[in-house]
Amino acid sequence: GAGVSQSPRYKVAKRGQDVALRCDPISGHVSPFWYQQALGQGPEFLTYFQNEAQLDKSGLPSDRFFAERPEGSVSTLKIQRTQQEDSAVYLCASSLAEQPSTEAFFGQGTRLTVV
Amino acid sequence: GDSVTQMEGPVTLSEEAFLTINCTYTATGYPSLFWYVQYPGEGLQLLLKATKADDKGSNKGFEATYRKETTSFHLEKGSVQVSDSAVYFCALSRGSTLGRLYFGRGTQLTVWP
Repeated sequence: GAGVSQSPRYKVAKRGQDVALRCDPISGHVSPFWYQQALGQGPEFLTYFQNEAQLDKSGLPSDRFFAERPEGSVSTLKIQRTQQEDSAVYLCASSLAEQPSTEAFFGQGTRLTVV
Repeated sequence: GDSVTQMEGPVTLSEEAFLTINCTYTATGYPSLFWYVQYPGEGLQLLLKATKADDKGSNKGFEATYRKETTSFHLEKGSVQVSDSAVYFCALSRGSTLGRLYFGRGTQLTVWP
């Protein structure tokens, strides 16, 4: 694909509802990263994968959040029992290599609104 | 811990004005430094980067120099255009965290004709 693809672009959830956000990284890239961007803030790291392995999930804000990548390509971020404070834009990024200097390519994000 | 502090916005300039957006960082070791930009309705994209002290990153007329002595990576452009209106994010990445980015809060830039 041309870039990192995320779906849905917008999601409205009632408080307490479960949601699943999808990320399809650029073909041939490694390491999908997930970030959470609250209104007026910079993106905050949530978690990242290397192939199917979730190597770092230190940024997940609670045990209601979990991510998976069962087949080593598409990644899904799931939020259980959504709360209003979960309202944010969720960004996915991939890169060509796992180097600190490597450019990250971002999707357009999923804007989650919990009402 | 690692962090980035960015000049608060919003910044409003007339076309052809000089732009500076300040960015300072805290990190152990020798991080890589980045400026990402988010144009209206688009995703974050890399504007420029520098990977070691005294390196200068440049792109589209924007420049930033990695200053280890002042732990800074200020973004500059000599003459802004209306099309530069966007949100600018300073970020760092360290080797031990394999590409994980630490972002500043972002600075909204609006350029008027």
